[in-house]
Parts: sequence; C-alpha cells; structure tokens
Amino acid sequence: AQSVTQPDIHITVSEGASLELRCNYSYGATPYLFWYVQSPGQGLQLLLKYFSGDTLVQGIKGFEAEFKRSQSSFNLRKPSVHWSDAAEYFCAVGGTETSGSRLTFGEGTQLTVNP
Amino acid sequence: DTAVSQTPKYLVTQMGNDKSIKCEQNLGHDTMYWYKQDSKKFLKIMFSYNNKELIINETVPNRFSPKSPDKAHLNLHINSLELGDSAVYFCASSRHRVGYGYTFGSGTRLTVV
Repeated sequence: AQSVTQPDIHITVSEGASLELRCNYSYGATPYLFWYVQSPGQGLQLLLKYFSGDTLVQGIKGFEAEFKRSQSSFNLRKPSVHWSDAAEYFCAVGGTETSGSRLTFGEGTQLTVNP
Repeated sequence: DTAVSQTPKYLVTQMGNDKSIKCEQNLGHDTMYWYKQDSKKFLKIMFSYNNKELIINETVPNRFSPKSPDKAHLNLHINSLELGDSAVYFCASSRHRVGYGYTFGSGTRLTVV
C-alpha cells in the first residue's frame, strides 16, 4: 500500500527566508510524486511533479523538489519565501494499480510566513 | 473557463436530509474522483470513475452514492445526512494514468446541523 508522511504539521518562517518542507513516501515501485498547495477556502493547485529522470524538479511560484530514492523522500524547497506563500502544502504519491489510478496524500504542512 | 467546477460551494443542511453535489470538468479527462477533506485537512479518496465506470470505491457508508452520467460529470448524492458528514468535498479529474496529476475543483463545504 502506498503512503505519505509529512513530519511537520506546522512551520513558521520569516519572509525572505528559505523553506524546506519534508515528505517521505512508501510505495512498492517507482512512484509518481506531487506537491500541491491549498490556500484558505480554495482547492488544491499542483506545484510540481516527478515521474522519472532528473531528480530535481522545478515547479511554479519558484518552488523546487528533490527526489531521493535512498531516503524515500521528496522534499519541497524555496530559496526565499513570500508572504503569499502562506498556505497548506500537501505531498502526494501515486501509481498505476490494478484497482485504478489514485493519489494518496500526506496530512499536510501548514506554512505561516511572518513579516 | 473553469476546468473543474463544483456546485454548490457551500451547503448547510439538517441531519437526516438528502443532498447532492455536482461536478463537471471541461478538460477532456477520462477519470474523475471524489475526495473528502476533514477538519484536520486530511484528504481521503472516496470514489473514482473512469469513462463512467466505477473503479475505486473506498470504505464509505452506502449513504454516499456517486453517479457519472458521462465522463465529464460526476455527482455525489448523500442520503440521511449525519453530523459526521460535515467536511469539504473535492472533485478532481485526471487522465487515467495518475502520473499526470489531478486537477481539483474548489470544493464544497458541507455543514450538517
């Protein structure tokens, strides 16, 4: 069974500081990995995704993530956080299964940005 | 222009009532989903349809019944609503291979009083 762990429930950073959100996954084969962002009262927006190839993937809004197979991790990073980045961030893992495609989400990390 | 649209955005109803949430996507995707987000923001899949065929049916009370009249629409009907059904319900769509990721609707906040 696939699963995702986001160890940090809540992170607070100052505007302009760097950010790293952690994500660990469990999946039996090479996974598809995703990061989504949810602003208050909104749906989820895809930030970036990893299928294969280059383990460092670039996304929208200046985010990037690095896939490390040896650590079963897919951490999200941003070099300089903006106040508008305050939101809930979800890591997700998926793969093609006989029962149909599905994404399994982590429990989310809430990001607060201090001025 | 909205890619995945859900209606209504908010739904407040009394226990015991029956209600429906509608979802439509104009992306040409062949797979649609319902996810439930609880008060702790945890997202859990409920159902998935591929080309009108039910392919994922998680452990969900049978008071919840999805219906997909065509591959662009997936509705969720809930009978005999209970307080514990209060949550945000998200519709999403994707191409059948999950590697393309989902496109989500903006959610329906259901409050049962």
